[in-house]
Amino acid sequence: GENVEQHPSTLSVQEGDSAVIKCTYSDSASNYFPWYKQELGKRPQLIIDIRSNVGEKKDQRIAVTLNKTAKHFSLHITETQPEDSAVYFCAASKKAAGNKLTFGGGTRVLVKP
Amino acid sequence: KAGVTQTPRYLIKTRGQQVTLSCSPISGHRSVSWYQQTPGQGLQFLFEYFSETQRNKGNFPGRFSGRQFSNSRSEMNVSTLELGDSALYLCASSLGKGLLPTDTQYFGPGTRLTVL
Repeated sequence: GENVEQHPSTLSVQEGDSAVIKCTYSDSASNYFPWYKQELGKRPQLIIDIRSNVGEKKDQRIAVTLNKTAKHFSLHITETQPEDSAVYFCAASKKAAGNKLTFGGGTRVLVKP
Repeated sequence: KAGVTQTPRYLIKTRGQQVTLSCSPISGHRSVSWYQQTPGQGLQFLFEYFSETQRNKGNFPGRFSGRQFSNSRSEMNVSTLELGDSALYLCASSLGKGLLPTDTQYFGPGTRLTVL
């Protein structure tokens, strides 16, 4: 089955700097890649997603890039703010699996003021 | 629109008991997926229901089961609870109309299950 690896597991950045989280997936049939942010004690919230027919997507300070050949995708957060501190999860899915998401292990991001 | 809701929010059970958790999806959503979240194993897919039918299943023992009703509300049941079943159980709803390869999923707040 699908396997998603996420790095790093923890990331500490200074406010205003950029943060990058990388994920690799194993199933070349995967075609949907969402990113979720989970604050302590709260539900995972979708922050951005990308489908396999595009290579990059941006939403204000957040961007995701996808390299289908290498089977990896990355989350980029620019101008980080203390409220960006949370655990971020990447995930992958394919049409044949319905809405089954396979998640990476998560990255704990700490933005120091 | 109201978001995904789950009840109860917290639950304490003892080994050997069974438990039923409930999930109400966003109005108009027909697909409900369940996930288990633990510090050690992360977020793992349990199963997905669409139009009252189980569409996909993860690698969990048969003690974990679920169902979906005609109003798209879903329940999951865990029988013969074990200590290792202590976790946050999250459900996620999506449109399920199949217009996109995979629908965007929105998570509920979760049910925190503690097994003593």
